[in-house]
Amino acid sequence: SQQGEEDPQALSIQEGENATMNCSYKTSINNLQWYRQNSGRGLVHLILIRSNEREKHSGRLRVTLDTSKKSSSLLITASRAADTASYFCATALMRGGADGLTFGKGTHLIIQP
Amino acid sequence: ETGVTQSPTHLIKTRGQQVTLRCSSQSGHNTVSWYQQALGQGPQFIFQYYREEENGRGNFPPRFSGLQFPNYSSELNVNALELDDSALYLCASSSGTSLGDEQFFGPGTRLTVL
Repeated sequence: SQQGEEDPQALSIQEGENATMNCSYKTSINNLQWYRQNSGRGLVHLILIRSNEREKHSGRLRVTLDTSKKSSSLLITASRAADTASYFCATALMRGGADGLTFGKGTHLIIQP
Repeated sequence: ETGVTQSPTHLIKTRGQQVTLRCSSQSGHNTVSWYQQALGQGPQFIFQYYREEENGRGNFPPRFSGLQFPNYSSELNVNALELDDSALYLCASSSGTSLGDEQFFGPGTRLTVL
């Protein structure tokens, strides 16, 4: 089963604009991670935010976490054509690592040049 | 530092056959996790191996099995292949069993079952 649900399913914006993707989840988590995947290839880890953190930045990425609403958002600022990819949120449950990461279905982001 | 590698890249099998997929973990990592990603879906956790022992398992039947070797590389075996097993299979390595650290994913093996 998929714990996380990303919204929107697909997003198309112009290069230079900001892109915002949202993720909702169902159960208590230890941390939430965002990954990027290009054309059905391997996943690239973008950022991890722990359950006791509210916001985190990494370069052009900004992630927020609201544990009361069980939701997270990923903001990519000043988008580039190379940002075109699928983006997944993944949650690590409180029970520990042996449960694996639980991924959503992803947001497909297209950056128009 | 060598990243996570997987072999083969692509594989075509017929229903009922058996398949073995391989993964070499990143240098210094002792934990390997396997995921199945069907087309248009997010990855789903199959199982995790830590120091050659299965450390956790997702909702997959027993015909999905694995091994981890002393050098921490790993194999995923799937018996009695079904059409629905067609997917991208990803392995990820990390330096411990906790998911509080970054998972490093390989490029995946795309399996097609005819």
